[in-house]
Amino acid sequence: DTGVSQDPRHKITKRGQNVTFRCDPISEHNRLYWYRQTLGQGPEFLTYFQNEAQLEKSRLLSDRFSAERPKGSFSTLEIQRTEQGDSAMYLCASSPRRLDTQYFGPGTRLTVL
Amino acid sequence: AQTVTQSQPEMSVQEAETVTLSCTYDTSESDYYLFWYKQPPSRQMILVIRQEAYKQQNATENRFSVNFQKAAKSFSLKISDSQLGDAAMYFCAYPPWDQGGSEKLVFGKGTKLTVNP
Repeated sequence: DTGVSQDPRHKITKRGQNVTFRCDPISEHNRLYWYRQTLGQGPEFLTYFQNEAQLEKSRLLSDRFSAERPKGSFSTLEIQRTEQGDSAMYLCASSPRRLDTQYFGPGTRLTVL
Repeated sequence: AQTVTQSQPEMSVQEAETVTLSCTYDTSESDYYLFWYKQPPSRQMILVIRQEAYKQQNATENRFSVNFQKAAKSFSLKISDSQLGDAAMYFCAYPPWDQGGSEKLVFGKGTKLTVNP
């Protein structure tokens, strides 16, 4: 059983550029979550999907952020016009059902110069 | 407000000894889950143990156990026979289902555990 995978693992970009991250959940997990984690803090929720439907978005998710899960399998998180404050670890998790354990991927570390 | 409080930013323990990490939370729900996750340095977050609030029996997974006190909204993690590989950040988390049916996890700020040989 393969776990949650994320690509890329590291991304360095210049301020103002767009970046896109990909998450592949555990197969047959219909729930997929995105979190952001800054140094020394716990993860903060960004958004989640049940199949292809985006059911909740945090107020942290400004209009520069967009997430998709077009076929209910993998998901992408895009950040437009990146800012230095976007530098963080972006974590993806998946779960087989409501309120069940969320299984996390290794994360994508974003550095905005 | 959705809050999870871990009052110990750092803890240390001698190898083979026992350590307890504390966590308190706030919910108006009667049935919910609580989770402890472990995040080793530069490695991914993994589940340590979970507790279902309707179960009175405290959850146990090998050397890891919880002390769940529902009325006090307390959920502490006990690690017995500590090993060097237990060194990590430990996060307490719960889904605030009482907040509009949200399925997200709310995390505490974490406790950094050091295991001394």
